[in-house]
Amino acid sequence: ETGVTQTPRHLVMGMTNKKSLKCEQHLGHNAMYWYKQSAKKPLELMFVYSLEERVENNSVPSRFSPECPNSSHLFLHLHTLQPEDSALYLCASSQPDRGIQYFGPGTRLTVL
Amino acid sequence: QKEVEQDPGPLSVPEGAIVSLNCTYSNSAFQYFMWYRQYSRKGPELLMYTYSSGNKEDGRFTAQVDKSSKYISLFIRDSQPSDSATYLCAFNYGGATNKLIFGTGTLLAVQP
Repeated sequence: ETGVTQTPRHLVMGMTNKKSLKCEQHLGHNAMYWYKQSAKKPLELMFVYSLEERVENNSVPSRFSPECPNSSHLFLHLHTLQPEDSALYLCASSQPDRGIQYFGPGTRLTVL
Repeated sequence: QKEVEQDPGPLSVPEGAIVSLNCTYSNSAFQYFMWYRQYSRKGPELLMYTYSSGNKEDGRFTAQVDKSSKYISLFIRDSQPSDSATYLCAFNYGGATNKLIFGTGTLLAVQP
């Protein structure tokens, strides 16, 4: 497997469910990111991890909880989401301090 | 004033046409200038990047940056139906968080 992978690709969950999104990068990068992409809006940066340390939390509600156990893996834990959280969630990776980020295919999340 | 402005389109052109996609930005601190291509239901794919004013060419694609006017362009020559996608401009400050600022994307359709 090469590049950045994400699982699951599609997820439907109720507002009371707890689920997790997984991202894995095979590029040897040390920085990983979560983005949210909603229709007709720019990609919104949610979290940044550099060398496994969270360096940015972009005013994201606490119902989204990231976890970065090592430089290759990134999780986004979800609980008590709202319907407006339905979106495409994208993971990306890069070298720290380098502008070029490489994206995974995304998880299409639907909250009922 | 928005930090990044990008015409959302949609832009429809016949096969073989020259396509011009544009973004304006307001922050002179941006150091990296990128174009991503996103096919439907996929993650963004890095197409081209540059960190200086001028032109950069890669096959049928040319990226142009004019820092004095705060304007970037992507030109596609001999456009193909396979170029049909959303094109996102992105900008980066560099630094510890390596935060990318995206445009809203321009939807391009190349008609056979």
